[in-house]
Amino acid sequence: KQEVTQIPAALSVPEGENLVLNCSFTDSAIYNLQWFRQDPGKGLTSLLLIQSSQREQTSGRLNASLDKSSGRSTLYIAASQPGDSATYLCAVRQGAAGNKLTFGGGTRVLVKP
Amino acid sequence: GAVVSQHPSWVICKSGTSVKIECRSLDFQATTMFWYRQFPKQSLMLMATSNEGSKATYEQGVEKDKFLINHASLTLSTLTVTSAHPEDSSFYICSSRHPNTEAFFGQGTRLTVV
Repeated sequence: KQEVTQIPAALSVPEGENLVLNCSFTDSAIYNLQWFRQDPGKGLTSLLLIQSSQREQTSGRLNASLDKSSGRSTLYIAASQPGDSATYLCAVRQGAAGNKLTFGGGTRVLVKP
Repeated sequence: GAVVSQHPSWVICKSGTSVKIECRSLDFQATTMFWYRQFPKQSLMLMATSNEGSKATYEQGVEKDKFLINHASLTLSTLTVTSAHPEDSSFYICSSRHPNTEAFFGQGTRLTVV
């Protein structure tokens, strides 16, 4: 059974610092991995999707890497801003396109002005 | 990104009544949609997979007669919480899977049963 873990559970940094969020998964036979952002009381916003054949994806200040063999993904957010404060969730889709997502517990990020 | 619209965003209902939540995929046709429940400060718990034109697949421990799912078209899935009780109060979120397999989520519905 796939298990997804996110460490740390919470993170507080001053504005301008780079953020590093970790996601690990136990079964490397994934189809893809997706990073989401969730603001309090809101739904999830898709940030980046990495297919199993890819090593990284970039969008603006965000960069996500994937090391399938070691079961890890890292989300980097450069030059953090107070508006980056949110909970970040990673999720893996197992094996095939039709399979469901397995979520990590999330990392709550606070960027202090 | 693609848009998934969920309605209502919040609802308060009396114990014993039923509540319907709608999830619409606005930008693409979705043969499969997913319904999640989220408790405070916790991650998402998958409740069921909604398949267009067929019965939903429920996760273990989720009562199918309690949480009725209907996916009558390629752009609309509904979740009905029947005979709601205070313990059903929660945050419910739907998701639609784009043909490129990226998942997009609705805004969520905060259900409070009094």
